[in-house]
Amino acid sequence: DAMVIQNPRYQVTQFGKPVTLSCSQTLNHNVMYWYQQKSSQAPKLLFHYYDKDFNNEADTPDNFQSRRPNTSFCFLDIRSPGLGDAAMYLCATSRDRQTQYFGPGTRLLVL
Amino acid sequence: GENVEQHPSTLSVQEGDSAVIKCTYSDSASNYFPWYKQELGKRPQLIIDIRSNVGEKKDQRIAVTLNKTAKHFSLHITETQPEDSAVYFCAAGRSGDKLIFGTGTRLQVFP
Repeated sequence: DAMVIQNPRYQVTQFGKPVTLSCSQTLNHNVMYWYQQKSSQAPKLLFHYYDKDFNNEADTPDNFQSRRPNTSFCFLDIRSPGLGDAAMYLCATSRDRQTQYFGPGTRLLVL
Repeated sequence: GENVEQHPSTLSVQEGDSAVIKCTYSDSASNYFPWYKQELGKRPQLIIDIRSNVGEKKDQRIAVTLNKTAKHFSLHITETQPEDSAVYFCAAGRSGDKLIFGTGTRLQVFP
């Protein structure tokens, strides 16, 4: 079953302690997205990769970085998490830059 | 900037009744309109999508209609069941560009 996988599913970190979330896909899609979603709000796009081409949203804080070492994997790094960064982080992939398939998400808690 | 308005924000129906959710978009160049269903704590799941060369699309109990002139599209769920209870997000996008999400509709289906 081709899919989008996110690890870990739950992550607890301390205020200011760097954290990395990972996403992998077996769909061989060339586009990967990272979204932040807070309590039933719409997902908010942070950035996306089209192959190795990185596209940052204008309002994404500098605290958020991303890496895509190969087609299958993409990482979200939060350099200094604040309380306001507690959220669900969703990874999505696309083959055609339109239809997007979401992973199960990582719920981040900042203490 | 681009914007998608979604109404209503909450919708309660009796099991077996129909539910309709409406979205209006601002970017006339949008040509792709997906609908996502998100159950509590789970990923947004693509349930149906429509492209601008089609006015209506059906998949069993769900259908989507698109009016490009008025720039609005709607989700119709017939014969609702308790398992249809979730938050539904509409989105709009143009080829090769990001999706703009609506604010979501919380649908509750009462037995």
